[in-house]
Amino acid sequence: KNQVEQSPQSLIILEGKNCTLQCNYTVSPFSNLRWYKQDTGRGPVSLTIMTFSENTKSNGRYTATLDADTKQSSLHITASQLSDSASYICVVSVGGQNFVFGPGTRLSVLP
Amino acid sequence: DAGVTQSPTHLIKTRGQHVTLRCSPISGHKSVSWYQQVLGQGPQFIFQYYEKEERGRGNFPDRFSARQFPNYSSELNVNALLLGDSALYLCASSLAGYERGYTFGSGTRLTVV
Repeated sequence: KNQVEQSPQSLIILEGKNCTLQCNYTVSPFSNLRWYKQDTGRGPVSLTIMTFSENTKSNGRYTATLDADTKQSSLHITASQLSDSASYICVVSVGGQNFVFGPGTRLSVLP
Repeated sequence: DAGVTQSPTHLIKTRGQHVTLRCSPISGHKSVSWYQQVLGQGPQFIFQYYEKEERGRGNFPDRFSARQFPNYSSELNVNALLLGDSALYLCASSLAGYERGYTFGSGTRLTVV
């Protein structure tokens, strides 16, 4: 069964600190993996996308890594800001046509 | 350019009613997908349409149906609403039927009472 798991379920950090979110997947055939940021009640916004051959991808303060052998990905947020408070969702594309969403990690950045 | 637009933004319905949600894709995008996101969970795939044809269907009952129009806009219909249908319904559009270029709308918040 195709599944995407994320940890932690929720996370609270202080403004300016770094954090790392984890994503483990059991999906076949793997096409690509994308991290989304979703503000409450809003649609998800894409942060990064990585294919099988890519190990890391950066987008400003967001850096995603992918280990296709262990089927793990991480999203590292540097120098967090209050506006980073949101849910972060890991999405894996199955064969390029279907997607499996993780449950998300709820990040709260406090002043 | 306008992004993916969904209407209405919020909606309250009673059990047993039916509802129609609408989505206008980004200009030039021919693929539209629908997702249901229950509070606290990740989005669940409902339908994908490309060039007005259904290309994919998630594990949802027949009460859920959709269609895509010649201008590539789309409607999601849900009949005989249940309390459990309360969710954020997201629409995403893409140039083709490939995941790489998907852009999500802001969603329609449906509350069934």
